[in-house]
Amino acid sequence: KAGVTQTPRYLIKTRGQQVTLSCSPISGHRSVSWYQQTPGQGLQFLFEYFSETQRNKGNFPGRFSGRQFSNSRSEMNVSTLELGDSALYLCASSRDRGANGYTFGSGTRLTVV
Amino acid sequence: QKEVEQNSGPLSVPEGAIASLNCTYSDRVSQSFFWYRQYSGKSPELIMSIYSNGDKEDGRFTAQLNKASQYVSLLIRDSQPSDSATYLCAVYKTSYDKVIFGPGTSLSVIP
Repeated sequence: KAGVTQTPRYLIKTRGQQVTLSCSPISGHRSVSWYQQTPGQGLQFLFEYFSETQRNKGNFPGRFSGRQFSNSRSEMNVSTLELGDSALYLCASSRDRGANGYTFGSGTRLTVV
Repeated sequence: QKEVEQNSGPLSVPEGAIASLNCTYSDRVSQSFFWYRQYSGKSPELIMSIYSNGDKEDGRFTAQLNKASQYVSLLIRDSQPSDSATYLCAVYKTSYDKVIFGPGTSLSVIP
């Protein structure tokens, strides 16, 4: 059974650029949640998609956006990158929106220079 | 007050000892509680789920939930160096369909 696939694993971008990250959840899981993890702030909730609809959004600026496709794959986009956006971005897959726990992908390590 | 708090680390225990990790949460309507283990440079992995008051045991791990006091704990018996990791407490809030994570507690098991 395939796990949660995140691509790319590593990214280096310069300030002002934009970036798109991808996540393919476990087959049969319709919920995809995105988290940002930094040493100082821990795991911060970005947003959750379920059946192609954004169901929840965390306290992040509008530069952070996402979407989900009909095959449950999800993308998140960050525009006008800032140095503070450097973090590990984690995708979490679940069948029931996290009520019984998540399976995380390996993450995308984004470095903004 | 943060929604999910954990005892500050790092926590160091000798090999073979019991490691005790604690977590408190602020929202009484929270329904599901989880412990994730995260090794350095890796993503979090779900190791325990608990939904009702009391203890739940899985091998060397025991999760304890007390909803009246709003705390959940994780005990690791016979700690091994391979248990050295950051342990994240997470709470699922039914009212918001959202999972909130605590800041994590770093555990180091000394051989």
